Amino acid sequence: DADVTQTPRNRITKTGKRIMLECSQTKGHDRMYWYRQDPGLGLQLIYYSFDVKDINKGEISDGYSVSRQAQAKFSLSLESAIPNQTALYFCATSDNQAGGYTFGSGTRLTVV
Amino acid sequence: GEDVEQSLFLSVREGDSSVINCTYTDSSSTYLYWYKQEPGAGLQLLTYIFSNMDMKQDQRLTVLLNKKDKHLSLRIADTQTGDSAIYFCAESIIADTGRRALTFGSGTRLQVQP
Repeated sequence: DADVTQTPRNRITKTGKRIMLECSQTKGHDRMYWYRQDPGLGLQLIYYSFDVKDINKGEISDGYSVSRQAQAKFSLSLESAIPNQTALYFCATSDNQAGGYTFGSGTRLTVV
Repeated sequence: GEDVEQSLFLSVREGDSSVINCTYTDSSSTYLYWYKQEPGAGLQLLTYIFSNMDMKQDQRLTVLLNKKDKHLSLRIADTQTGDSAIYFCAESIIADTGRRALTFGSGTRLQVQP
């Protein structure tokens, strides 16, 4: 099993719909992150959480919300999806900065 | 991420060396990273370097850090077709919340010609 699992792998949704992307990890890491990847723009940080009660906005949090249900679970919600939120979304975990991050395989979201 | 810049594309022939360059802006970065992304996959950590080091070598990979110029490079010796991927440079920065997080460059697509 993967260390960081994202579901779904692919999703097509309509404008205005609420959608949740889920992430679970077996690394035992305290820190979890959500990034968005657009072609030519690299990865942009949406939200991050250093423990269950510590949630922080990243550089592009507008239109997104998160929930850290447990140490191992961190979900990302789009309250009302819009087409420019079409992107590849990655969840990542870390225990400290030195070791870098472990990434999930990504969720490809298309908003039509 | 605007704080980390990379060229978008590099093409080399199999067996040659590849050098991927990156510039960053945050002088307080403690660690700098190189990640590899293969098609349809997430990012895989290749290597990282602590900011008080100038060089780190790991098999075919050599990382050079010029802290004065805020320049990081990744050299891949004897490049193989399996090295074709997107390579991301990342630095750890202090976000507005006072917490450290990684910020990534736009990625360099390495194409290895047989």
